[in-house]
Amino acid sequence: TQLLEQSPQFLSIQEGENLTVYCNSSSVFSSLQWYRQEPGEGPVLLVTVVTGGEVKKLKRLTFQFGDARKDSSLHITAAQTGDTGLYLCAGESLGTYKYIFGTGTRLKVLA
Amino acid sequence: ETGVTQTPRHLVMGMTNKKSLKCEQHLGHNAMYWYKQSAKKPLELMFVYNFKEQTENNSVPSRFSPECPNSSHLFLHLHTLQPEDSALYLCASSQERLVASDLRTDTQYFGPGTRLTVL
Repeated sequence: TQLLEQSPQFLSIQEGENLTVYCNSSSVFSSLQWYRQEPGEGPVLLVTVVTGGEVKKLKRLTFQFGDARKDSSLHITAAQTGDTGLYLCAGESLGTYKYIFGTGTRLKVLA
Repeated sequence: ETGVTQTPRHLVMGMTNKKSLKCEQHLGHNAMYWYKQSAKKPLELMFVYNFKEQTENNSVPSRFSPECPNSSHLFLHLHTLQPEDSALYLCASSQERLVASDLRTDTQYFGPGTRLTVL
């Protein structure tokens, strides 16, 4: 069974701080997606990374796909209260093309 | 607004009740999904419909019964549920396409979910 472990599970930081969230697996994925989910809403796609070693930037968010396509990280610079939410990674399984979701990181940014 | 709507947003039911969850997508997609999101567990895929045909049932108990009358609507019929079935039920849609004889899934768009509580 393919698993995606996210760390940390919970993170509470002050506005303006930097943070990194990790998504790790022993399996290789065709692609990997990051979502943010706010309370009372469904997950919203932030980015898709496809190539090993790929880095994508979305304003203050930097996403990296591991060289071996088994892991990924999300770095947020100068966090804002609006970044608060549940961050989910989802890997597209090789061969089956189904998405497996990670365990999630719940981020709270304090003013 | 992602183009996927779900009703009701909140539902409280007893173990002997029968209720249905509804999902509608306005994106012209050909695939729809039901997911279960519980506290402290990863998002779990329950059912996949592609072109109105059920293509995946992820070992879901028979007390959950999906229905897909057309490519825009998806239902989840609930009966004799258990308290451990309390969770957020999310619907999603995507465009599936054939790439070199493999069925590939583009981005999934999620609805806001139905918060279900079983008493």
